[in-house]
Amino acid sequence: AQSVTQLGSHVSVSEGALVLLRCNYSSSVPPYLFWYVQYPNQGLQLLLKYTSAATLVKGINGFEAEFKKSETSFHLTKPSAHMSDAAEYFCAVTPSGSARQLTFGSGTQLTVLP
Amino acid sequence: EAGVAQSPRYKIIEKRQSVAFWCNPISGHATLYWYQQILGQGPKLLIQFQNNGVVDDSQLPKDRFSAERLKGVDSTLKIQPAKLEDSAVYLCASSLGGNWGELFFGEGSRLTVL
Repeated sequence: AQSVTQLGSHVSVSEGALVLLRCNYSSSVPPYLFWYVQYPNQGLQLLLKYTSAATLVKGINGFEAEFKKSETSFHLTKPSAHMSDAAEYFCAVTPSGSARQLTFGSGTQLTVLP
Repeated sequence: EAGVAQSPRYKIIEKRQSVAFWCNPISGHATLYWYQQILGQGPKLLIQFQNNGVVDDSQLPKDRFSAERLKGVDSTLKIQPAKLEDSAVYLCASSLGGNWGELFFGEGSRLTVL
């Protein structure tokens, strides 16, 4: 079975500062990994995905994530936070690319301070 | 392109009452999912449909939850009778069927059971 751990349920950064949201996974087979974002009162939206191609994945809104097999990590970063980035971010893993086995982490709420 | 539509957005009921949620996926999306998102947790898959057939309902509490997608388009999720622990946001998502975790989510239906 696969699982996802998101370190830090709440993260605060100043506008213009680096955003780093941590995600560690466990999977018995090579995983596919995803980051989703959820803005207040909205559904989840795919930010980026890793599907065994390039280990550095670029997504929307300037976010990127790096797959590190040795560390079983898939941390999400953005060089400069914007007020509009305030949202909840979910890391998810599936061992086979099947959405049926998609397991979400518990989420990280990002606050951007002016 | 219209997104995934869900209704109602909010519902408050008392325990032991029944409730139904409706979802209309993106046109042409063969796969439809219902997720339960309890406050402070990531979404958890309840049921997955491929067209009008059930692919996975292993995590659906079948003693009280039921779902159908009779014509392979829109879907209804019902809870009867509701319990306090059913308070959550019920998210509907759809995908073309190629998976890779690319789900398109609706805004969700927030249920409060008193």
